[in-house]
Amino acid sequence: DVKVTQSSRYLVKRTGEKVFLECVQDMDHENMFWYRQDPGLGLRLIYFSYDVKMKEKGDIPEGYSVSREKKERFSLILESASTNQTSMYLCASSRLGTRFEKLFFGSGTQLSVL
Amino acid sequence: TQLLEQSPQFLSIQEGENLTVYCNSSSVFSSLQWYRQEPGEGPVLLVTVVTGGEVKKLKRLTFQFGDARKDSSLHITAAQPGDTGLYLCAGAPRGGSQGNLIFGKGTKLSVKP
Repeated sequence: DVKVTQSSRYLVKRTGEKVFLECVQDMDHENMFWYRQDPGLGLRLIYFSYDVKMKEKGDIPEGYSVSREKKERFSLILESASTNQTSMYLCASSRLGTRFEKLFFGSGTQLSVL
Repeated sequence: TQLLEQSPQFLSIQEGENLTVYCNSSSVFSSLQWYRQEPGEGPVLLVTVVTGGEVKKLKRLTFQFGDARKDSSLHITAAQPGDTGLYLCAGAPRGGSQGNLIFGKGTKLSVKP
């Protein structure tokens, strides 16, 4: 079974800190995604990547950057964390197909910025 | 901006009851997926529907894609406490890229024993 592993389940950071969220998948998937999930707002796409070193902005990229140096690893970076970035962050991966493929999600990282 | 409206937002029912969750849009989708998310976990895919009018069954869950591919429903028969969770629909717009999956805001289902 595909496994998407996020490095932390819970994270508490201070305003202004640089935050790294790491995600690793073990099924050689081309696509990787970062979403944030907030009550009443659903899942919103931050960034996605369809290949190593390639990235595309999602719906809410402001305040975030990403890095994909290896196929299996996709990192989300908060350059200077702010309280409005307190949220559940979900990483996902999928194969590159002709139509939208199944997303495999990690268990999420609940980030609190104080 | 394409939107997927899910209703109801919350649903609390007794074990054994039937329920239907709706996912509606004014836009056409090439496919639609339903996910279930349990507390503390990421969403897990239940089904993908692709053809207008398609009906798929997964044990007590029945999924339907509208004829015009703008809406979908999830019907659960004789709900069990294990069905408790957040149900999300997600649509792939026609001609969209791999990153263009649009999620509804979810229906939070609670099934009481």
